[in-house]
Amino acid sequence: GAGVSQSPSNKVTEKGKDVELRCDPISGHTALYWYRQSLGQGLEFLIYFQGNSAPDKSGLPSDRFSAERTGGSVSTLTIQRTQQEDSAVYLCASSDGSGGNTIYFGEGSWLTVV
Amino acid sequence: QKEVEQNSGPLSVPEGAIASLNCTYSDRGSQSFFWYRQYSGKSPELIMFIYSNGDKEDGRFTAQLNKASQYVSLLIRDSQPSDSATYLCAVRIGGGADGLTFGKGTHLIIQP
Repeated sequence: GAGVSQSPSNKVTEKGKDVELRCDPISGHTALYWYRQSLGQGLEFLIYFQGNSAPDKSGLPSDRFSAERTGGSVSTLTIQRTQQEDSAVYLCASSDGSGGNTIYFGEGSWLTVV
Repeated sequence: QKEVEQNSGPLSVPEGAIASLNCTYSDRGSQSFFWYRQYSGKSPELIMFIYSNGDKEDGRFTAQLNKASQYVSLLIRDSQPSDSATYLCAVRIGGGADGLTFGKGTHLIIQP
């Protein structure tokens, strides 16, 4: 597609439920990133996929968070047993994976845990 | 610990003046530096990137990098009300496709 596509754009869920957020990167981009941005805060790195390499999970805040990327394209971020502090916008980004490349963001998935 | 620091603002600048946004970073191994603009409720969009010491100009925007002092700045000339947004500084360690470390952003207000 022309840009990074994320779904759902908005999600309200009850505390304790699981949620899945989807990201479809720019066609041909080998690198995919998930960031989280809480209200009034900066971007917090969560996880990074590059091609077929093992993902960099160093930013995941707890074991309730996981992500996978199937076929080197679409990625799903899963949050289990959601908590109110998980409320944030979850931003997916992609890049072409080359040195000096730039990262382009999707419009984000706004998650509210009530 | 990778840290990127920005003054949160708000920074208020009259229309037509030069807006100066500053950013410092902690990791001397940082190799590439990015400025993103984020309007309220929207995702960040790339404005400029810079890799080498000195200035890089693109239209009304100039990025300045000083690796010895570990700071990067963004100048916006002839500021317009549409420039009002939060400006995020981001740093990448290494030359590959590693994730960016972002500052918390500076909220810029251009006063008509």
